[in-house]
Amino acid sequence: EAGVAQSPRYKIIEKRQSVAFWCNPISGHATLYWYQQILGQGPKLLIQFQNNGVVDDSQLPKDRFSAERLKGVDSTLKIQPAKLEDSAVYLCASSLDWTSGRAGHFGPGTRLTVT
Amino acid sequence: QQPVQSPQAVILREGEDAVINCSSSKALYSVHWYRQKHGEAPVFLMILLKGGEQKGHDKISASFNEKKQQSSLYLTASQLSYSGTYFCGTEAAGADGLTFGKGTHLIIQP
Repeated sequence: EAGVAQSPRYKIIEKRQSVAFWCNPISGHATLYWYQQILGQGPKLLIQFQNNGVVDDSQLPKDRFSAERLKGVDSTLKIQPAKLEDSAVYLCASSLDWTSGRAGHFGPGTRLTVT
Repeated sequence: QQPVQSPQAVILREGEDAVINCSSSKALYSVHWYRQKHGEAPVFLMILLKGGEQKGHDKISASFNEKKQQSSLYLTASQLSYSGTYFCGTEAAGADGLTFGKGTHLIIQP
């Protein structure tokens, strides 16, 4: 079974520029999550999708971050404009469905550096 | 609210045992344990559901005390491959995404 795929793996941009990250979840997984992991900390949930609908985006900085999952499979996370404090690893995870206690499987992440 | 993990770091010799704790002030539905090696994604270890069950996975096991809202991860006869940062992720009722602790750094020395 193929795992969660993410691209790019690394990205360096200047502040105020825009950036987009892509995620392809495990086949058949209806629930998709985007997490932000700042160096030395645990992952922080940004947004959760169930199919193509948003379940929870309460911690997403909506003035600069946006995410979509139009066809209920792939997802894109965008930052516009980026700030220095956005430097982090952006992890995508998926789980079978939106049921409590389901294991989430993480992708390799995209390491973003904002200069 | 973020769960509290303890200890922050542990250094062991190969073959020794370790216990990592995770406490929450909120009522939990489940606790998820992950291990993350430097520069890699977190890898799923196990889920503990409310009800106080204990699970095992090779020489790694965990328990969940629902009354205390506390979970413990037990690593017995540690191997070099166990090195990494261990995170607990907690799930309150409602099938929300996980809230992770700050992690426990585990170093296994030969």
